Amino acid sequence: KAGVTQTPRYLIKTRGQQVTLSCSPISGHRSVSWYQQTPGQGLQFLFEYFSETQRNKGNFPGRFSGRQFSNSRSEMNVSTLELGDSALYLCASSLVSLDSPLHFGNGTRLTVT
Amino acid sequence: EDKVVQSPLSLVVHEGDTVTLNCSYEVTNFRSLLWYKQEKKAPTFLFMLTSSGIEKKSGRLSSILDKKELSSILNITATQTGDSAIYLCAPRNTDKLIFGTGTRLQVFP
Repeated sequence: KAGVTQTPRYLIKTRGQQVTLSCSPISGHRSVSWYQQTPGQGLQFLFEYFSETQRNKGNFPGRFSGRQFSNSRSEMNVSTLELGDSALYLCASSLVSLDSPLHFGNGTRLTVT
Repeated sequence: EDKVVQSPLSLVVHEGDTVTLNCSYEVTNFRSLLWYKQEKKAPTFLFMLTSSGIEKKSGRLSSILDKKELSSILNITATQTGDSAIYLCAPRNTDKLIFGTGTRLQVFP
């Protein structure tokens, strides 16, 4: 079974630009979550989508948004990029149940200059 | 505020040693606790613990949850250089995983 696939692997953007990251979950997984990982803050929860609806949201500004499509694929968008948005963005998928483990993709490394 | 503390922060051992990694948590609406191993990129799922006192094992790795003490331990026996990684503890509530900062384990031959 293929794992969680994230594209692109690396991105370099300048301040003020916007970026879209993509995540394809494991086949059959309907929940997709996004996390930001930085050396200073560790892994921080961004949001979770299930059945094309945002089910939960972390404490990030409105510049961070996402969506989920009918095939469970998800995208995350960051507008008006800031230097502090430089991070590894990880997507994780899980089965429907809240008691199913999350499986992570390899992430997208975003660098903002 | 939800809080997860892992100890030690860093550990250096020789191949063949046994290590114990600790995780303590204060999380509202706790549902389960997950352990992950992170080498280069993707955290790799190791265990999910929901019941207190029941040990989960996978090869040389084992883990147990203590809901009364709000803690969990991850044991690795007969360590190998391939065990070198950051081990992340992540309690889960009804909304999300809350990650600790991790324990960095280095295993030298």
